[in-house]
Amino acid sequence: EVQLVESGGGLVQPGRSLRLSCAASGFTFHDYAMHWVRQAPGKGLEWVSGINWNGGSMGYADSVKGRFTISRDNAKSSLYLQMNSLRPEDTALYYCAKDTYTFYGMDVWGQGTTVTVSS
Amino acid sequence: QSALTQPASVSGSPGQSITFSCTGTSSDVGSYNLVSWYQQHPGKAPKLMIYEDSKRPSGVSNRFSGSRSGNTASLTISGLQAEDEADYYCCSYAGSSTLVFGGGTKLTVL
Repeated sequence: EVQLVESGGGLVQPGRSLRLSCAASGFTFHDYAMHWVRQAPGKGLEWVSGINWNGGSMGYADSVKGRFTISRDNAKSSLYLQMNSLRPEDTALYYCAKDTYTFYGMDVWGQGTTVTVSS
Repeated sequence: QSALTQPASVSGSPGQSITFSCTGTSSDVGSYNLVSWYQQHPGKAPKLMIYEDSKRPSGVSNRFSGSRSGNTASLTISGLQAEDEADYYCCSYAGSSTLVFGGGTKLTVL
C-alpha cells in the first residue's frame, strides 16, 4: 500500500525551529519528486516546497523562502522540512505529497501534521 | 508567485454538468501543460482528480475532465452527484521548481 506518514508537528514559539518528517512506503521513493503543502485553519491549500527525485532541484513559496529548507534521504525513503524563524502565520496542517513524476501533480497525500506557532 | 484565481463558490443540481475555472498568467498556467486539480472533502486530505491539464488518474471517475486554453484551465464535472460536493483546487507549475495553487472553489450540490 502506498503511504505517506508525516511527523514532527507541534506547538512552538515564534522565532523557534521545527523539523517535519515524512516516511514513505509502498513505492519507489527515489523515482519521484516530493512536496510539502500546508493548509491554515479554515483556509485553502498553499504549496510550500518541492524537491526533485535526487534533491538536485528545490523550490519554495515566497512566504517561506530563506526560512524553510526541504531535503530528502532516498536511502531512508524520507522527506524533511526544516522550518526556522517560525511565525504565527505558519500555523497550519502540513501535508507531505508525492508527485506523479516531476512537478506534474500530487497523487498521494499523507494525513498531515499540525504546526502551531504561538507564544 | 500570485495565487491562481478561482471563483469562491459554484452550485449545481444532481445530473447537471458544471465547470470550474482557474485563471493564471503567462508565467504559470499559460506556459506549461502542468495544471492539476484536487478535490478535498471536509477534514480529509486532498485527492488528485486531473493532472497535466487533462489526464485522469486511475480510479477517478470519467465524469471528471480537464482542459486548458491560454492562461485559463477548466475542470468539468458531468452528471453531478451529491458526493461531488467538496472544495476544488487548481494548481500549476510556475517555473523554477515551484507550484502555485488557486484559492479554491466550494461546490454545493443543490
